Amino acid sequence: KQEVTQIPAALSVPEGENLVLNCSFTDSAIYNLQWFRQDPGKGLTSLLLIQSSQREQTSGRLNASLDKSSGRSTLYIAASQPGDSATYLCAVRDDNYGQNFVFGPGTRLSVLP
Amino acid sequence: EPEVTQTPSHQVTQMGQEVILRCVPISNHLYFYWYRQILGQKVEFLVSFYNNEISEKSEIFDDQFSVERPDGSNFTLKIRSTKLEDSAMYFCASTRGPGNTEAFFGQGTRLTVV
Repeated sequence: KQEVTQIPAALSVPEGENLVLNCSFTDSAIYNLQWFRQDPGKGLTSLLLIQSSQREQTSGRLNASLDKSSGRSTLYIAASQPGDSATYLCAVRDDNYGQNFVFGPGTRLSVLP
Repeated sequence: EPEVTQTPSHQVTQMGQEVILRCVPISNHLYFYWYRQILGQKVEFLVSFYNNEISEKSEIFDDQFSVERPDGSNFTLKIRSTKLEDSAMYFCASTRGPGNTEAFFGQGTRLTVV
């Protein structure tokens, strides 16, 4: 059964820092991995999608990498801003799980002005 | 930008009552999903739907739950007799294709069962 973990569970940084969020998954038979942002009490906003054949994706200040064989992904946020404060979730779509998402527990990020 | 919309944003219901949560997926998408998130816990898969039938469902999705695409645009989740433990945020999602396409989620419906 696919398990997704994320570390750290929470992170507090001063504005302007570069930071890395980590995601691990136990079964490498994935279709893709998607990073989401969730503001408190709100929905899930898609940030980046990495297909299983890709190594990384970039969007603005965000860069996500994928090492499928080792079951890891990282989300790199450059020059963090207070508006980046949110919970960041990674989710994998797993061929063994009907192509549906298995989510990690999230990393709660606070960027202090 | 196209988006998945869900209504209502918040619903309070008495235990034992039926509720219907509504979703309008992105118009050219073919695959539809419901997920839920109990407060403080992970987002969990409930059910996927394609070609007017359920593709997959989790063990959470028991006989109290049903889904329907009644009119080609709406996608609904019905809970027949709500329990306290059904209180959660329910998210609808849609994708244009199967496993390798980007998923778009709605803003969620917060269901509170009292």
